[in-house]
Amino acid sequence: DAKTTQPNSMESNEEEPVHLPCNHSTISGTDYIHWYRQLPSQGPEYVIHGLTSNVNNRMASLAIAEDRKSSTLILHRATLRDAAVYYCILRASNQAGTALIFGKGTTLSVSS
Amino acid sequence: GAGVSQSPRYKVAKRGQDVALRCDPISGHVSLFWYQQALGQGPEFLTYFQNEAQLDKSGLPSDRFFAERPEGSVSTLKIQRTQQEDSAVYLCASSQQPTQGYVNQPQHFGDGTRLSIL
Repeated sequence: DAKTTQPNSMESNEEEPVHLPCNHSTISGTDYIHWYRQLPSQGPEYVIHGLTSNVNNRMASLAIAEDRKSSTLILHRATLRDAAVYYCILRASNQAGTALIFGKGTTLSVSS
Repeated sequence: GAGVSQSPRYKVAKRGQDVALRCDPISGHVSLFWYQQALGQGPEFLTYFQNEAQLDKSGLPSDRFFAERPEGSVSTLKIQRTQQEDSAVYLCASSQQPTQGYVNQPQHFGDGTRLSIL
């Protein structure tokens, strides 16, 4: 499986935008980019996914580089509730396997 | 609506005891997963069920770990003769469809069972 690299931690202030980077230089053409986040003492929750085009949903936006070797999860206005560990995960479209493969993710701290 | 429910929320056991952890997936979800999360790490896959069939158990760390989903809904993860290294949060997740052909469907996680082995 292609691997992802994320910073260990990032800090933000409330109501400011947050850009969470992810490098995936060995991504293949059939790999989708998924993001999950895990709030303290909770299980992970799905945030967003994409293949080539930028994606928006009610939680966040996903910006994918043209060469697909990197992507950025964008939280447009951080709130205290966005403090969590954010995981960038690659999923092969032909994957008959099952598991999400989590790295250590990025721990986002949000200050008021 | 009802999400994935796990019980107990916390479990303390003495080394050598057997434990059973329960997962109630979202109703109608075909796929069910178990993950293990050590402190400060991301979750790691243990096993996968499609309905009642256990299709992948490659992540189970030893033969002391056993999982079942006899009627294709509720699942139980059992750990026999627990060891201190089994201390972790055990997460259950479910998704609506089989994984094959539906790689982009989200997995819905419960809040886990925190297992502490003394």
